[in-house]
Amino acid sequence: AAGVIQSPRHLIKEKRETATLKCYPIPRHDTVYWYQQGPGQDPQFLISFYEKMQSDKGSIPDRFSAQQFSDYHSELNMSSLELGDSALYFCASSLGGLRSRTQYFGPGTRLLVL
Amino acid sequence: QKEVEQDPGPLSVPEGAIVSLNCTYSNSAFQYFMWYRQYSRKGPELLMYTYSSGNKEDGRFTAQVDKSSKYISLFIRDSQPSDSATYLCAMMDSNYQLIWGAGTKLIIKP
Repeated sequence: AAGVIQSPRHLIKEKRETATLKCYPIPRHDTVYWYQQGPGQDPQFLISFYEKMQSDKGSIPDRFSAQQFSDYHSELNMSSLELGDSALYFCASSLGGLRSRTQYFGPGTRLLVL
Repeated sequence: QKEVEQDPGPLSVPEGAIVSLNCTYSNSAFQYFMWYRQYSRKGPELLMYTYSSGNKEDGRFTAQVDKSSKYISLFIRDSQPSDSATYLCAMMDSNYQLIWGAGTKLIIKP
């Protein structure tokens, strides 16, 4: 079965650079979520999109922005990167909007900011 | 104090043992309770979810919710080395956001 695809899998950036993470949800899934997970921490919800519209916002810094495109893939744009942005970034998708109880997670993008 | 408390472990048990993983929570409005398994360097994988109090069984896994005590458990029978992973509990609040526990690292020794 198709899963959530994230690219790149690994990314190394320097401070103050920008990064773009991509997420391709499971086909026919209409909702995408972004999470940030620091070492040894639980995932922190950043932002979600339902049917290409931003639906909920969590602890996403103002330096980050995201969008969902017409083909339902989503991109997380991160600017002015800081050392503390080093983390695993997960995308999850679901079907049926935010009330869906089953989010399927991608393998994550490991971002390292030097 | 976090809304969801989970002992980070590690919890080390011999192969074949019954494993008990637990979380407590403070928000009585939580309705949906999930257990995710996360292998190292991989994304969380939904194992089970339950609604309200009661038990739910799926193969070697049993999820238990006690809303009166604000306590949920995941039991793993006949544990295997391949069960070694971090297990995260998560609960859905009234805004349909997932509130996560810290995760318990489980090690099954052959």
